[in-house]
This record gives sequence, C-alpha cells and structure tokens, in this order.
Amino acid sequence: EVQLVESGGGLVQPGRSLRLSCTASGFTFGDYAMSWVRQAPGKGLEWVGFIRSKAYGGTTEYAASVKGRFTISRDDSKSIAYLQMNSLKTEDTAVYYCTRDQNGDYYFDYWGQGTLVTVSS
Amino acid sequence: QSVLTQPPSVSGAPGQRVTISCTGSSSNIGAGYDVHWYQQLPGTAPKLLIYGNSNRPSGVPDRFSGSKSGTSASLAITGLQAEDEADYYCQSYDSSLRRVFGTGTKVTVL
Repeated sequence: EVQLVESGGGLVQPGRSLRLSCTASGFTFGDYAMSWVRQAPGKGLEWVGFIRSKAYGGTTEYAASVKGRFTISRDDSKSIAYLQMNSLKTEDTAVYYCTRDQNGDYYFDYWGQGTLVTVSS
Repeated sequence: QSVLTQPPSVSGAPGQRVTISCTGSSSNIGAGYDVHWYQQLPGTAPKLLIYGNSNRPSGVPDRFSGSKSGTSASLAITGLQAEDEADYYCQSYDSSLRRVFGTGTKVTVL
C-alpha cells in the first residue's frame, strides 16, 4: 500500500525558514517524481513544485509564487522528499501535501495527509 | 490564481446526475494536455478520481465519469449519493505555469 507521511509543519515567524519532510513507503520511491501541493485555509489547491526522479535528472520546477524561496530535494536511500521553505510570508500559511507525481502525464496519484504551516508573528 | 475555471457550487438530489465544468485555454486544455479530477471530502486530503480525461483509478465507482472537448472538460456524477458531498478540483498542465488546478466546486446533496 502506497503511503506518504508529511512532517515538520508548525508555527513560524515571517522571514524565517522551515523544512518539511515526506516519508514514502509501499513503492520504489526512486522511480517516481514527487510534487508538493498546498491549500490555504478555506481556499483551493495550489501546486508548489516538484522534483523528477534521478533517471530524469532529479531536476526541479516551481510555481512562480515560491520560486527562489522554496527548494525541493530528495533522498532516495531513505525514501524521503523535502521542501525547504525560506523567507516565509504570511501568505504561505497553508496545509502542505506531498504527492506522488506521474511526471509524464502530469497528475498526482497518491497524496499524504498534509501538514499545516502557519506563518505569523 | 487558478487558470482553470469551475463553478463554485453545484447541487442535486440523491439519485440525480450532476456535472461540473472545467474551462481552460489554448495554453493548457486546448493545447491537448489531459485533464484530471480530484475529490476532497470534508477535512481530508484530496484523492485522485479521474486521470487522463476519462480513466478511473481502481476503486472509484463508475458513477464518476470524465470527458474533454476543446478547451474544456467535464466531470459527471450519476446516481448522486450523500457520500459524494465534497469539493472537486480539475487539474491539467499549462505550458507556462506547469501543473495547474481548477478553482474548485462544492457538490451539495440536497
């Protein structure tokens, strides 16, 4: 059974940093791209960014709203994807979901339960 | 800011058929990229409902169906049930913005 478990969320002040983790199980993690998607309170879904598998270069892409501030990385030996969030803004407050990304077909077939990040002074 | 537009809400009585539209543009749906749909039950994470315009993952009831034409797509729910009350999102690929979601539609079962 595919499982994705996010961790690392919490309350952080504007301008500070936070790193989220996504621990995967139930599939060969290294074979898949991974994406992060967020949802502000009471709002819709927003794609944050993704990382390709090593077979496709392990490269990353980001939404314009986070480019230059957020970085996605992966540790295939531990089956973990990371979302490093720097220079956080109040508008980054959201539930952050880790997803398995069907890169070639551009959709998310499995989602984690999400972790809440609150950016506030 | 979502580039795929959905109606904010649709409603229907149990057993009825409802449809949700998803309108894009020439840089996403109209460019030939597939449309996918997600169901988000209250207080839970989204779940893949339809992929590749009209394909259902294992375990999704055949009451749910998807279609695509031109710059738009639709999700239909036939034989509406109380458990279908949820938020539904379409999603596609945009040549400029990459992966994009629809604005979301709340389905209410009357």
